[in-house]
Amino acid sequence: QKEVEQNSGPLSVPEGAIASLNCTYSDRVSQSFFWYRQYSGKSPELIMSIYSNGDKEDGRFTAQLNKASQYVSLLIRDSQPSDSATYLCAVTFPNTGGFKTIFGAGTRLFVKA
Amino acid sequence: DAGITQSPRYKITETGRQVTLMCHQTWSHSYMFWYQQDLGHGLRLIYYSAAADITDKGEVPDGYVVSRSKTENFPLTLESATRSQTSVYFCASSSGDLDTQYFGPGTRLTVL
Repeated sequence: QKEVEQNSGPLSVPEGAIASLNCTYSDRVSQSFFWYRQYSGKSPELIMSIYSNGDKEDGRFTAQLNKASQYVSLLIRDSQPSDSATYLCAVTFPNTGGFKTIFGAGTRLFVKA
Repeated sequence: DAGITQSPRYKITETGRQVTLMCHQTWSHSYMFWYQQDLGHGLRLIYYSAAADITDKGEVPDGYVVSRSKTENFPLTLESATRSQTSVYFCASSSGDLDTQYFGPGTRLTVL
């Protein structure tokens, strides 16, 4: 059974702080890793994708991947109230004839002004 | 408009009725997906398609039927709607099975 685990939260941080979101997955041979943001009542939208071990930075967002420990994290620096949303981690796993993407249940983030 | 669209955006139906949710994408993406999302739950894959005329089951396929006669369209049919199928349904597409999925705006379905 392929699994993607996230702390459901809610995670509450003050405005301007660093928010740290974590995700663990069950298969060492997973290939692609994604963080999506979903506002209440809206569809998920891509924040970051990462494919190799290490850090990937994009503006205030940094994704960190550690395949040996099977976790991927998302750091949000200088958190803003507009960052309040549910963050979904997605991981691709080998599947018959290709790969399949599995989403975690998401972590709710609240940024307090 | 370019992108991925879903229709209807909201639908109310009765138990036992057949309902079809539409999904259309303009990117010529090979892969298309249908997800169900309930409050407090993540995205559960219903069906996916790797190309026209190729479909496969996801985690929760029972009670649903899909078809993909054209690359750009991927309709989802509830053959006989049940109250447990009240949910938000998202369609998504991607260029490959390792690639980013792009989501439509969703359809909120209520089965009375």
